[in-house]
This record gives sequence, C-alpha cells and structure tokens, in this order.
Amino acid sequence: GEDVEQSLFLSVREGDSSVINCTYTDSSSTYLYWYKQEPGAGLQLLTYIFSNMDMKQDQRLTVLLNKKDKHLSLRIADTQTGDSAIYFCALLNTDKLIFGTGTRLQVFP
Amino acid sequence: EAQVTQNPRYLITVTGKKLTVTCSQNMNHEYMSWYRQDPGLGLRQIYYSMNVEVTDKGDVPEGYKVSRKEKRNFPLILESPSPNQTSLYFCASSLRGSQPQHFGDGTRLSIL
Repeated sequence: GEDVEQSLFLSVREGDSSVINCTYTDSSSTYLYWYKQEPGAGLQLLTYIFSNMDMKQDQRLTVLLNKKDKHLSLRIADTQTGDSAIYFCALLNTDKLIFGTGTRLQVFP
Repeated sequence: EAQVTQNPRYLITVTGKKLTVTCSQNMNHEYMSWYRQDPGLGLRQIYYSMNVEVTDKGDVPEGYKVSRKEKRNFPLILESPSPNQTSLYFCASSLRGSQPQHFGDGTRLSIL
C-alpha cells in the first residue's frame, strides 16, 4: 500500500520561510493535498495540487511536486505565529485519502 | 454555514459498553468517511461511504461498524469498545470521492 512520510517537527523563526516535506511511494495519486490542524480543531484544507502540475502558488503558500523523486513540499513565506500547527500531506488514490504522519510546525519570535 | 458536525466531542467510557459517534453534514455531499488519529501515525481511514447504502472498509475497520441510511448522516458504531480504540476520531465529507474533504472538529474517545 501507499506509504507517506513526513518529518515530525519543524521549528522556524517568525518572518522566515518554512518548508514542510512529504515523500510517498505510490505514484498513481491524482490529487495531493496539504491540511492544517490547529490544537483542538479538525483538519482545514490549505491547498492542493493536481498530479500533472509541478507547482502551485496561493498567496504565502507554494506547493512543489517532484514526481520523479515522489516528493511534495509546502513552503510558507513570512511564517507567522498563527501558522503554528500540525501540517498533513494527503494523497488521493482511487477515492481513498492516504495521510502522512504530520509535521508539527513551531514558530518562535 | 456549511459544516460537518460530530457528537459527542469528548467521551470517556468503559470496555464493552456500546457507543455511537454521530456525524452529520449539511452540504449534500455524497462521500463520507471516518478516520482515527493516533500520535506518530497520522490519520487512518476506518470506513467510507460513496453514497447512501454504500459503505466500504478503510485501512483499520476492525472493531467498528457504520451505516449510511441517509445522505447527511454517517454514524460510527463501536459495538464492544476496547482500550486500543482510545483515539481522536474525525468524520469528513466531500461532494464526491475525488473532491477535497471537509472535516468535523473531532471526537476524543477514551476507553477505560
């Protein structure tokens, strides 16, 4: 089955860029998503990219997809304290959503 | 307001006592799904439903049941809960399986 990996923690200074990485094993996914989970809340869809795209930019968010290396990344520009949360990548594979393990982003002043 | 509503938000109960977690969506979505979230494991799918009266097993269905008698509701049933089902549970829905999913706020279950 699909295996989706993320590093567990990332710590950045306020105002810097954050890059959260995700690697996967199955290349048949059609959509690749990034979700944000704040404490005590559900998952909020941040952005997504279709598998035939290499890059998508949405305000402070940039998603990069390297299909050859099976690598997905989320870059957050000008990271703010409100960006502190757990970030999940998720891959859509035949109507099933496979989640990564989540990366906890901590932003310090 | 478009939303996915789960109840209860928190529940502490004992081994073997049947419980039901309700999930309701007001977006007329066809696809609904249940996940459990455990530290270091991310979210794992328990069951999903492509439409009314259609349900399928996800990756970790053991010990759970679901039903989809109406489009808006997708309850998760634990017939005989055990401590290894202590977890944070999320319900999600989408227009179709290929569309982005909207999540409820979660239900934290503790089985003693």
